[in-house]
Amino acid sequence: DAGVIQSPRHEVTEMGQEVTLRCKPISGHDYLFWYRQTMMRGLELLIYFNNNVPIDDSGMPEDRFSAKMPNASFSTLKIQPSEPRDSAVYFCASNRGGSYNEQFFGPGTRLTVL
Amino acid sequence: KQEVTQIPAALSVPEGENLVLNCSFTDSAIYNLQWFRQDPGKGLTSLLLIQSSQREQTSGRLNASLDKSSGRSTLYIAASQPGDSATYLCAVRGGTASKLTFGTGTRLQVTL
Repeated sequence: DAGVIQSPRHEVTEMGQEVTLRCKPISGHDYLFWYRQTMMRGLELLIYFNNNVPIDDSGMPEDRFSAKMPNASFSTLKIQPSEPRDSAVYFCASNRGGSYNEQFFGPGTRLTVL
Repeated sequence: KQEVTQIPAALSVPEGENLVLNCSFTDSAIYNLQWFRQDPGKGLTSLLLIQSSQREQTSGRLNASLDKSSGRSTLYIAASQPGDSATYLCAVRGGTASKLTFGTGTRLQVTL
């Protein structure tokens, strides 16, 4: 398996622009997680899905952030409009349900908002 | 609310030394605990998953132990190498369907 796939790997945009981050989880994993990592705040969980349904979005910082999972193999995290304080590395991760639910991370998207 | 602490925040050791990284959590009702490493500018790589019913788990030079009742886990690295230099994070899960709660990590440097 190719692991969790994220695109783009790097994104530089200007304040006010819309940003869309993409994730393909590992095949067969029914949980998908979006995290954000910064030096100041460390690793933060933004939202997670089970069987394509959002379960907990309490970590989503503002209404400017939204996430969707239209099918089992694709999810997006959208920021509209983007602000400089959104600059961070965004990770997607996935795991199976059940007893052995080891979580695997993607390589991340480094977002810079100017 | 579960809180996960890792001490020390940073550690430097000479190559070949055995070392222990510590992880503590406030709520002992966990389902499992996972150790990750993160290289600079990279994603998190899963090292070991230890279930709440297990006392330890081994992979190569790595050994993770879990004492659920005292809220502690340790990651033992034998015969450290410069390639082991990275940040190590532990994370606990409260149930089969719940999210991971991460510690802040220990930054390890293994010197020649």
